[in-house]
Amino acid sequence: AQKVTQAQTEISVVEKEDVTLDCVYETRDTTYYLFWYKQPPSGELVFLIRRNSFDEQNEISGRYSWNFQKSTSSFNFTITASQVVDSAVYFCALSEARGTTDSWGKLQFGAGTQVVVTP
Amino acid sequence: GAGVSQSPRYKVAKRGQDVALRCDPISGHVSLFWYQQALGQGPEFLTYFQNEAQLDKSGLPSDRFFAERPEGSVSTLKIQRTQQEDSAVYLCASSFFHEAEEQFFGPGTRLTVL
Repeated sequence: AQKVTQAQTEISVVEKEDVTLDCVYETRDTTYYLFWYKQPPSGELVFLIRRNSFDEQNEISGRYSWNFQKSTSSFNFTITASQVVDSAVYFCALSEARGTTDSWGKLQFGAGTQVVVTP
Repeated sequence: GAGVSQSPRYKVAKRGQDVALRCDPISGHVSLFWYQQALGQGPEFLTYFQNEAQLDKSGLPSDRFFAERPEGSVSTLKIQRTQQEDSAVYLCASSFFHEAEEQFFGPGTRLTVL
């Protein structure tokens, strides 16, 4: 079963518009990590953020912000005032705790959302 | 090197050929991961090493896939008797210690099986 769902396949915006990418995850664990990665046309995935399941504080980094809501199992990502350089595929991913030792499960990625920003 | 490197960047193989894909992780990174990314999909986990130990190979799709990291640094992903369905981008990533940390990805090897 898909653990991470990114329902939006592609979002097209005009430069300077805001864009929000949805991510819904599924887990029975109380301890887990959520991630966002960016994959530009060059292909190399770039880490954006990691969030522990016990930290529900929203985070802002420049034009990027993240909204983590455990009640709805969502970890949404907003790009404010989008720029052409933001054009990429964005992946949400989940890593669940495994066992009682400091052991973690593999990264499970969603299918990704293609963001196209036009001038 | 400064980042994760992979070679070759592109590989074309005839069906039935064996291929070997190389990954050089960031120096000092304990964990190394291999992923397979089909066109238009997210990366799918293949296998995970902590130093030279292969701790998880649950994602390897068949016994034609084999990975090793004999000295705990460079890793090789080998695919025997390649099939068309093996065509994908193979991504390598490393992290300082474990799976739930930031993983640094290489540029990938695009494998095309004819």
